[in-house]
Amino acid sequence: QSMLTQPPSVAGAPGQRVTISCTGGSSNIGAGYGVHWYQQLPGTAPKLLIYGNSRRPSGVPDRFSASKSGTSASLAITGLQPEDEADYYCQSYDSALIDMIFGGGTKLTVL
Amino acid sequence: QVQLQESGPGLVKPSQTLSLTCTVSGGSVSSGRFYWHWIRQHPGKGLEWLGYIYNSGTTYYNPSLKSRVSISVDTSKSQFSLKLSSMTAADTAVYYCAKGEDYGGDSGLDVWGQGTLVTVSS
Repeated sequence: QSMLTQPPSVAGAPGQRVTISCTGGSSNIGAGYGVHWYQQLPGTAPKLLIYGNSRRPSGVPDRFSASKSGTSASLAITGLQPEDEADYYCQSYDSALIDMIFGGGTKLTVL
Repeated sequence: QVQLQESGPGLVKPSQTLSLTCTVSGGSVSSGRFYWHWIRQHPGKGLEWLGYIYNSGTTYYNPSLKSRVSISVDTSKSQFSLKLSSMTAADTAVYYCAKGEDYGGDSGLDVWGQGTLVTVSS
């Protein structure tokens, strides 16, 4: 079981806004570690979508945004497009031994 | 721009040791700037971090696999490698190599290889 909890699935219609939560605890997100988000399109490697809680790498549309508060983080996607259909993972670190940890992933379906 | 490419056997027998290589292009594997990681993904499942190597020699492994994992660098070939011993069917997964600019900080894994499927079967 992941130390970062994500909903298994979310869905939205084209043009809508969806959010994906990532819930951790005091030893990981709550300890101040950065949260990063990855998008994995079907059959491909994960791609860095958000780093440092809320920053977008060059080339990532501003439809994608993220935030962090306390022991949780969230990813928001506005203006949903069919090509956004993918699995999304949050990632942080756990302070017990500073292990890299991932959320279990959320499958986004664009209806 | 750094690019990564995994290579290795697609099929491994139970109890054998898996050896995978990640070839780095567009950057130096011996650079003290980057952390070089291995991550795997079981079929239909999430991502599991295996470990990293930094500055050509500093390593850190996932505690749950620590006794079985080894990561090393071959600077002459611009490669870093993963060895995972005592393979079982539970190790069947897609194995990815990835690059990070820090560890425990504000940089994520910004470059990934395409991944290589490793199946454990007799």
